[in-house]
Amino acid sequence: AQSVAQPEDQVNVAEGNPLTVKCTYSVSGNPYLFWYVQYPNRGLQFLLKYITGDNLVKGSYGFEAEFNKSQTSFHLKKPSALVSDSALYFCAVRDPSFSGNTPLVFGKGTRLSVIA
Amino acid sequence: EAEVAQSPRYKITEKSQAVAFWCDPISGHATLYWYRQILGQGPELLVQFQDESVVDDSQLPKDRFSAERLKGVDSTLKIQPAELGDSAMYLCASSPSQGLNAYEQYFGPGTRLTVT
Repeated sequence: AQSVAQPEDQVNVAEGNPLTVKCTYSVSGNPYLFWYVQYPNRGLQFLLKYITGDNLVKGSYGFEAEFNKSQTSFHLKKPSALVSDSALYFCAVRDPSFSGNTPLVFGKGTRLSVIA
Repeated sequence: EAEVAQSPRYKITEKSQAVAFWCDPISGHATLYWYRQILGQGPELLVQFQDESVVDDSQLPKDRFSAERLKGVDSTLKIQPAELGDSAMYLCASSPSQGLNAYEQYFGPGTRLTVT
């Protein structure tokens, strides 16, 4: 069964500094990987996805993520953090070896705090 | 931009009472998901619909939870009787069955349930 690990419960970064939120995955085949962001009392907002192709994926709000098959990782990055980036970030995986539109399996989330 | 609608946004109920949540997916999205997100954790799938049919309800506590999507459009999730441990955010998501965005899930704002 597929799974996702987000090893950090909390990441603190100063405004203007680069940020990284880590994610590793386990899936039987080639994964479909996603990042979502959640603001307080809100649903999840899609940031970016990796399906195939270029390992560096660019998404919304200046975020990007790098797919690394050998390390089974899909870390989320941003060159310069903003205070407004402070939120809860979820990595998710879908195993495409299953037919149909299968649900996402989410990590437990990482809380990002950007300090002015 | 089309969005997934959910109501109510907040619900407080006493244990042993019945409660129901409603979701209206993005028009044309055949796949609908209900997730439960306990505070501090990632969302976990409760039930998945393809049109009006349930394709996965293996994690749905069927002794107290029920879900339906009678006309293959909007959906209702019911809990009867509610227990203290049901306090959580209930998220609805939808996705198209085909096309470029077939692997993305679009989330509603969620319903935060508090059972007292």
